[in-house]
Amino acid sequence: DAGVIQSPRHEVTEMGQEVTLRCKPISGHDYLFWYRQTMMRGLELLIYFNNNVPIDDSGMPEDRFSAKMPNASFSTLKIQPSEPRDSAVYFCASSLARNEQFFGPGTRLTVL
Amino acid sequence: GEDVEQSLFLSVREGDSSVINCTYTDSSSTYLYWYKQEPGAGLQLLTYIFSNMDMKQDQRLTVLLNKKDKHLSLRIADTQTGDSAIYFCAESIASGYSTLTFGKGTMLLVSP
Repeated sequence: DAGVIQSPRHEVTEMGQEVTLRCKPISGHDYLFWYRQTMMRGLELLIYFNNNVPIDDSGMPEDRFSAKMPNASFSTLKIQPSEPRDSAVYFCASSLARNEQFFGPGTRLTVL
Repeated sequence: GEDVEQSLFLSVREGDSSVINCTYTDSSSTYLYWYKQEPGAGLQLLTYIFSNMDMKQDQRLTVLLNKKDKHLSLRIADTQTGDSAIYFCAESIASGYSTLTFGKGTMLLVSP
């Protein structure tokens, strides 16, 4: 298995633009997590899904952030409109039941 | 509430032992984890300990848990330059499905 796949690996955009981050979890995993990592706040859980259903989105910072999981093999995290303070590394992780979470390589987002 | 604290930085010489410390506040934590993040990569699970254990050893890694003081440590024996990375402590609670709460990470720098 290729592991968790995220795209793009790097994204540079201008303030006000829409940004879409993509994640393909490990096949067969039933949980998917989106995290954001910054120097100031560390690693924060934004939202997680179980069997494609959002379970807890209390970590999503604002209405500008939205996440979807249309099927078991794909999820998106969208920021619209983006702001400079959204600059961070965004990680997707997946797990099977309550077992180990496997992390993707992350998407480094820079909003100018 | 849940809160995980770690020191931010540790520097050791190659061949020495490294000890990375972590404190947590939630007494109902059931699993405690150590993750490793290499530059430009996602987090990788190193080891974990169940809260009814005091110690777990896995090759060069030793995890010690003091549940009374809510203190967790990771000892790396014979530290190598390849061990240079950020190490994250995380806790979870077993009731239902619990998300992980991460510390901000300890950067370990191993010099030759």
